[in-house]
Amino acid sequence: NAGVTQTPKFQVLKTGQSMTLQCAQDMNHNSMYWYRQDPGMGLRLIYYSASEGTTDKGEVPNGYNVSRLNKREFSLRLESAAPSQTSVYFCASRLTGASSGANVLTFGAGSRLTVL
Amino acid sequence: EDQVTQSPEALRLQEGESSSLNCSYTVSGLRGLFWYRQDPGKGPEFLFTLYSAGEEKEKERLKATLTKKESFLHITAPKPEDSATYLCAVQISGGSYIPTFGRGTSLIVHP
Repeated sequence: NAGVTQTPKFQVLKTGQSMTLQCAQDMNHNSMYWYRQDPGMGLRLIYYSASEGTTDKGEVPNGYNVSRLNKREFSLRLESAAPSQTSVYFCASRLTGASSGANVLTFGAGSRLTVL
Repeated sequence: EDQVTQSPEALRLQEGESSSLNCSYTVSGLRGLFWYRQDPGKGPEFLFTLYSAGEEKEKERLKATLTKKESFLHITAPKPEDSATYLCAVQISGGSYIPTFGRGTSLIVHP
């Protein structure tokens, strides 16, 4: 059981370049999330998808777009990368419903992005 | 504004030296409080969920407790393998499920 898989693990971009971070989960979870983690700032929500076909902005959405491609996949796109987007990005998923595990986020291993 | 504050930011312990990490929160209606462990270079991993004041959960050397204003993560006789960053998150009642995370406590346990 792979859980949440993120690609790539590392990426270096130049200012103005675009790229897409990929995330896939194999747990049949309904909700998916994209966070960024910066030193001293904790985890901040960029976008989330409560269910297939829906996406909503989080705390720090500027400069990003997302696509919930299907139930398994949730991608994050940087259209024109800026140095302020240098960060570690985490994708997470959650099983919704009334079960005891429904409120727990399962995270991927992270994607470390550097924008020069 | 809902807030989650963790203290201390960093904690160094000797092996066997018990201590506690704090997570204080100011939210308008708590649905749940969550503790995660994050190892360097990895994503956070779930430890505990607490739903109501007075509730306690235990796992090996860790015990989480909850009051109406804060949660403690007690570490009893820690070992070097307990070294990690511990994250607290709260979920408020109503609306979409969007947990708010604290900035974490970095724990180092020296042998």
